[in-house]
Amino acid sequence: GQQLNQSPQSMFIQEGEDVSMNCTSSSIFNTWLWYKQEPGEGPVLLIALYKAGELTSNGRLTAQFGITRKDSFLNISASIPSDVGIYFCAGQPSQGAQKLVFGQGTRLTINP
Amino acid sequence: KAGVTQTPRYLIKTRGQQVTLSCSPISGHRSVSWYQQTPGQGLQFLFEYFSETQRNKGNFPGRFSGRQFSNSRSEMNVSTLELGDSALYLCASSLAASWNEQYFGPGTRLTVT
Repeated sequence: GQQLNQSPQSMFIQEGEDVSMNCTSSSIFNTWLWYKQEPGEGPVLLIALYKAGELTSNGRLTAQFGITRKDSFLNISASIPSDVGIYFCAGQPSQGAQKLVFGQGTRLTINP
Repeated sequence: KAGVTQTPRYLIKTRGQQVTLSCSPISGHRSVSWYQQTPGQGLQFLFEYFSETQRNKGNFPGRFSGRQFSNSRSEMNVSTLELGDSALYLCASSLAASWNEQYFGPGTRLTVT
């Protein structure tokens, strides 16, 4: 079935740095979603993307729906300690079962 | 508007037992999806219910089942528990189609001993 390759798997950065992560697939996706999960909690929806080329911001977060519809990117500017967590991409494939497919997550650690 | 709620938050069971988990979606949401999350496998889709009907199903054995009630609340059941069933079980709701924005509950942490 469709798989999402999310990278990097983990990041260790200094407070104030910018962060970039991405999700790629060999299949075309109709929707891309980005979530953040903190310990002991469920994932929280950050950004939803529905059109190829779409660029959407949510505060210091910016995500893009790749032109090829096979990838998506999430950027976090000027990171702060509360950005710590695991970030997941999720997508709805254009073919196959109508359900979300999730990436394996990017664990973000920030040194103050 | 209240978020997705799941009960119980924590559960300890022994092998061979069965367990039922509950999920109440956001008011007005008719689609409820269930996921299993483990460190090694990430988020794995179990099934989705819409208007009391199972609309999608993941690749899990028949020991995993679910249902949805007329008020959109959903339950999932796992019978004959195995050690490998220990995981965080997450419920997510959305307005209609499951590929729309899904909103997750806090999860139920199941430990099987």
